[in-house]
Amino acid sequence: EVQLVESGGGLVQPGGSLRLSCAASGFTFSSYEMNWVRQAPGKGLEWVSYISSSGSTIYYADSVKGRFTISRDNAKNSLYLQMNSLRAEDTAVYYCARAQGIKLGYWGQGTLVTVSS
Amino acid sequence: SSELTQDPAVSVALGQTVRITCQGDSLRSYYASWYQQKPGQAPVLVIYGKNNRPSGIPDRFSGSSSGNTASLTITGAQAEDEADYYCNSRDSSGNHGVFGTGTKVTVL
Repeated sequence: EVQLVESGGGLVQPGGSLRLSCAASGFTFSSYEMNWVRQAPGKGLEWVSYISSSGSTIYYADSVKGRFTISRDNAKNSLYLQMNSLRAEDTAVYYCARAQGIKLGYWGQGTLVTVSS
Repeated sequence: SSELTQDPAVSVALGQTVRITCQGDSLRSYYASWYQQKPGQAPVLVIYGKNNRPSGIPDRFSGSSSGNTASLTITGAQAEDEADYYCNSRDSSGNHGVFGTGTKVTVL
């Protein structure tokens, strides 16, 4: 069974940092592209970042470029999102999602990040 | 443009058919995928590509595309189909993902 479990969310002050993790199991992690998607409270889905299966290709949404860093450790079956210079507008539930072309076939349950003083 | 526009809300009588549309310039070049999200839950993929359903998704869900518009059709809507639906595709560069604005479907 494919499982994606996010962790690392919490309350952080504006300007602070947080590192999210996504533990994958039930499939060959190193064969799949991965994405981070977020959803602000009461709002729609927003694509955040993409990483290829090897980690050699990475893309970011303009809203997080220069502040967030996506990475993966295929030996540990884990995906990460390092978030720096956090702003109030980064408050959201962050989901990791397994990608295969256009489809995001599996999603974690999400981890809540709250940026507030 | 990298935006995907959806109607904010639609309603459908139980057992009837509803179509949800998603408009954007990038859809002329890229297929869309569709996600169902119920309150407090993660999104679930229901349609991807030309018209493909993941295993476990009922065949009352179907997809189509024409020009700059992608559509999700629910034929014979059930009470459990009441949810928010989002389209997703790539932006015009092909490098960035983009989600639609979302459509809340109410089953009457």
